[in-house]
Amino acid sequence: GQNIDQPTEMTATEGAIVQINCTYQTSGFNGLFWYQQHAGEAPTFLSYNVLDGLEEKGRFSSFLSRSKGYSYLLLKELQMKDSASYLCAVRRLSDRGSTLGRLYFGRGTQLTVWP
Amino acid sequence: NAGVTQTPKFRVLKTGQSMTLLCAQDMNHEYMYWYRQDPGMGLRLIHYSVGEGTTAKGEVPDGYNVSRLKKQNFLLGLESAAPSQTSVYFCASTFSEWHNEQFFGPGTRLTVL
Repeated sequence: GQNIDQPTEMTATEGAIVQINCTYQTSGFNGLFWYQQHAGEAPTFLSYNVLDGLEEKGRFSSFLSRSKGYSYLLLKELQMKDSASYLCAVRRLSDRGSTLGRLYFGRGTQLTVWP
Repeated sequence: NAGVTQTPKFRVLKTGQSMTLLCAQDMNHEYMYWYRQDPGMGLRLIHYSVGEGTTAKGEVPDGYNVSRLKKQNFLLGLESAAPSQTSVYFCASTFSEWHNEQFFGPGTRLTVL
């Protein structure tokens, strides 16, 4: 595996801010992805980072530090509908220098937002 | 556009039975993937295809076969189902290996008794 670690569960209240961390160990790193998955539904793409720094997209931001093998997803102004599983995934280059579009997923963080 | 569709949505099999899961996409994507998702295990890649007529093994290929006879379709076969194959199966596709978003189908919930 690619040794992708993220917390199993997190809880927060409506209107708050929550940070979901993801650490990884991999060779040939070529991008880190965050997906959101509501119960019983398919994962949907949230964000992508390949360079160090913060990418902001509305209420959601994602940060990457390649030297530390670390990323986080920041969710602001939490809403009830943000209750979901958040999946961290890494894309890596193969020995031939191709990614084959393959993603390696962590086990997901189940976020519960309380009123 | 329908995006990525999967059939069936649910299926119950007895041990030893066979079945085929169908994935179809109408986005002209080259790359297609089959994942399984189990509680506490995350998404694991079973097989994938980088174009019509090609297939390759992923992380957990044993017990499964695939075919990509047409660009828009990717079939996942279970020749002799086992209880360990009880899972939710997701198909995904992307235009090229460098595109950042994989589009997922709605999933197939399979139970093997």
